[in-house]
Amino acid sequence: DAGVIQSPRHEVTEMGQEVTLRCKPISGHNSLFWYRQTMMRGLELLIYFNNNVPIDDSGMPEDRFSAKMPNASFSTLKIQPSEPRDSAVYFCASSLNRGLYEQYFGPGTRLTVT
Amino acid sequence: GENVEQHPSTLSVQEGDSAVIKCTYSDSASNYFPWYKQELGKGPQLIIDIRSNVGEKKDQRIAVTLNKTAKHFSLHITETQPEDSAVYFCAASSRNDYKLSFGAGTTVTVRA
Repeated sequence: DAGVIQSPRHEVTEMGQEVTLRCKPISGHNSLFWYRQTMMRGLELLIYFNNNVPIDDSGMPEDRFSAKMPNASFSTLKIQPSEPRDSAVYFCASSLNRGLYEQYFGPGTRLTVT
Repeated sequence: GENVEQHPSTLSVQEGDSAVIKCTYSDSASNYFPWYKQELGKGPQLIIDIRSNVGEKKDQRIAVTLNKTAKHFSLHITETQPEDSAVYFCAASSRNDYKLSFGAGTTVTVRA
């Protein structure tokens, strides 16, 4: 199994630009999570999908952030417009189902907004 | 919500010695406790987990213990090797809940 796949691995953009991060979960997993990791705040859950439906987006910092999951094998996290404080590593994780199941993380996208 | 505290924040050990990381949690309903290892430039990797119906679990050089009464759990790494150097995160999740609350992480350095 290829594991969770994320692209791009690194993204550098200027303030005000739109940024789109992509994720392919592990085949057969029906839960998908987007996390953000910073030195100050650690690992934060941004949004959780189950069976392609957003279940909890309470962690999304503001309206500039949006996420979609059009099918079981693809999800995007979009930031528009981006700001320097959005600079972080964004991880996608998937699990077999909700509840007490292991979450497997992708390699992350390091985003730098200048 | 759940609050997970992790100690120490950094840990330096001599190769071959043991390393112990401790976490406490606040929500008595939590019953799933995974540990993740994150190497530089990579995503967190699940290394071991324990559920509340078990007090201890071992996998080769790694073991985790859980004390539900005291609401704390620990990761033990024996016979440490240089490749054990990484940041380790503990986490806790409530019954039938998808949310993992993470500790702040412990940077482990194994000195050769």
